[in-house]
Amino acid sequence: EVQLVESGGGLVQPGGSLRLSCAASGFTFSSYWMTWVRQAPGQGLEWVANIKHDGSDKYYVDSVKGRFTVSRDNASRDSGKNSVYLQMNSLRAEDTAVYYCAREVNGGTAYNFFDHWGQGALVTVSS
Amino acid sequence: QSVLTQPPSASGTPGQRVTISCSGSSSNIGSNTVSWYQQLPGTAPKLLIYRNNQEASGVPDRFSGSKSGTSASLAISGLQSEDEADYYCAAWDDSRNGQVFGGGTKLTVL
Repeated sequence: EVQLVESGGGLVQPGGSLRLSCAASGFTFSSYWMTWVRQAPGQGLEWVANIKHDGSDKYYVDSVKGRFTVSRDNASRDSGKNSVYLQMNSLRAEDTAVYYCAREVNGGTAYNFFDHWGQGALVTVSS
Repeated sequence: QSVLTQPPSASGTPGQRVTISCSGSSSNIGSNTVSWYQQLPGTAPKLLIYRNNQEASGVPDRFSGSKSGTSASLAISGLQSEDEADYYCAAWDDSRNGQVFGGGTKLTVL
């Protein structure tokens, strides 16, 4: 069974930093792109960033470029460290949202979609 | 302002058929496939439709998708109370080099 579990959310002051983690299991992690999507309170979904299966390609929404960095750890299945991360620096009030990680199928092509999602991690940026 | 345009709300009575539209441009829907997601209150989004019209695993065949040019639609037939949720369309955008979502449509079952 595919499982994605986010962690690392919390309250942070404007200008601060936070690192989200998404632990993946139940599939060959190193074969898939991974993506981060966020949802501000009462608002719709906004794609944030994605990363190629081997980490060689990364894309970001304009509003987070230069502040957020997506990375991944394709450890072996035995090590249990198959994870994707979102390092968030220079945080602003408008970054307040629930952040979801999702498995991306056919990433980097015209046919991509997100077939499994985590439960989300709440990030609150406030003084 | 979302890149893909959806109506903010839709409604129907049990058993009815409703459609939700999603309008984009040549750089997103016009060039790439559309996926649809259902988000029940307080839960994570769930994939409904991919590649414009392919039902995701476990999704009832009451849900169907279509695409024409730079627009797409999600149709729900035999509406049920459990279909009350927010629905989002999405596609990759070649100009932005990023995924774009519609603003979401809140479906109410009357």
